This record gives sequence, C-alpha cells and structure tokens, in this order.
Amino acid sequence: GAGVSQSPRYKVTKRGQDVALRCDPISGHVSLYWYRQALGQGPEFLTYFNYEAQQDKSGLPNDRFSAERPEGSISTLTIQRTEQRDSAMYRCASSALGGRRETQYFGPGTRLLVL
Amino acid sequence: DQQVKQNSPSLSVQEGRISILNCDYTNSMFDYFLWYKKYPAEGPTFLISISSIKDKNEDGRFTVFLNKSAKHLSLHIVPSQPGDSAVYFCAASDGNNAGNMLTFGGGTRLMVKP
Repeated sequence: GAGVSQSPRYKVTKRGQDVALRCDPISGHVSLYWYRQALGQGPEFLTYFNYEAQQDKSGLPNDRFSAERPEGSISTLTIQRTEQRDSAMYRCASSALGGRRETQYFGPGTRLLVL
Repeated sequence: DQQVKQNSPSLSVQEGRISILNCDYTNSMFDYFLWYKKYPAEGPTFLISISSIKDKNEDGRFTVFLNKSAKHLSLHIVPSQPGDSAVYFCAASDGNNAGNMLTFGGGTRLMVKP
C-alpha cells in the first residue's frame, strides 16, 4: 500500500513569501504529525492532529506557522512571511489509531529553502 | 535544552562485527523509547522500541538495552551488514503527554564496511 507522501519534495522561495506544504497520510490513519528537521539534527515536533482536530500545537515556533487537516485526511502546513531561519526539512508522519505507543510512519519530507 | 542526545555523530564498523549506538536522555518522564533508521532521501523508518518497564528488547539482529538509572539506552546490531549503513535516530515519548509526539536525538551515522 502507499505510504505517507509529501509535496512538493523541494521548495525554494524568497524571504517574505508564504508557502504551503502538503502531507498525504496513510489512508485511514487517525493521527498525523508534523516535524521539522534542521541539517544534522533529529526531527523536532511541531504539531499533531487526531482526525481533523489539532490536539497540540506547542511545537509551532511562532504565529507565522499554522496547520490544518479539515477533513481528517490531508494536512497542510503553512508558513507565512517566510524567513531564512525557516529553511529546513519538514516531515510528516501518521499513525493508525492515535495510541500513545503506535508506530509513526514518516514521509520523505519537503526540503524548504528560503533565500 | 536537548532532552535526547546522541553524542557520536558517526560510527564506522567492519562487516560482521557488532555496532553499538548510544543515546542519553534527561527527562525522567520518558517511558517509551524507539530507534528509527534513515536512508538518504527517505523518511525515518521504525526499527525497534522498548518500554521503560523492560531493560532489553530483541528483534533479530537488533537489540535495545535500557538503563533507567543512568538514563541511557543503546542499540546493538549483531552481526553488522553493509545494508545497515544509515543514520540512526533515538527517540523518546513522554508519559505525561496524551499524544504521541516524539523527542528525537541528533542521529548517528553508521557506516558498515565490507
């Protein structure tokens, strides 16, 4: 079956522009997570959803970052007025039932470069 | 403040020998630990996990050891194979959180030489 997919795989944008990053979780998965990974570091939690409800957004760095999952499937992470420090790999993961110890399946990520 | 640390950024091992990857954590509320493996241009994939009520979990060539008093865990790969060459991330889950957000270490790049 299809795994987690993310688009675009690469995004280059100019400082000040808005970007939208998309995540398609594994079909039927309840939970969806967003992480950000800087070069040479591990993924860092941003936010997560159960179905369409955003359960925790404590990892979002500031109010320029937002995420939605309106129909409980595809999710979009939006960064407004991008800054160079936003450059990173953005990873999405999903898990089947939202349980605490379930395996999270990661997508290939979107590499964002802000010039 | 890094709550999960992998102090070795890289490790080189000969094929057939043991690979030992280490991870330290500071948050005493972490009660579930995982190792993920990542190949270039792919997302991390789950490898093995351990609950804090255990001190060892084994799956084929992979064994994870947990020392709670030292807040230390390690991943042993025996015997190491060239296909094991990848970046390995240690991750932890906080028992206080209702959700399942993971806190990751910085990763260790393992190179297994034929």
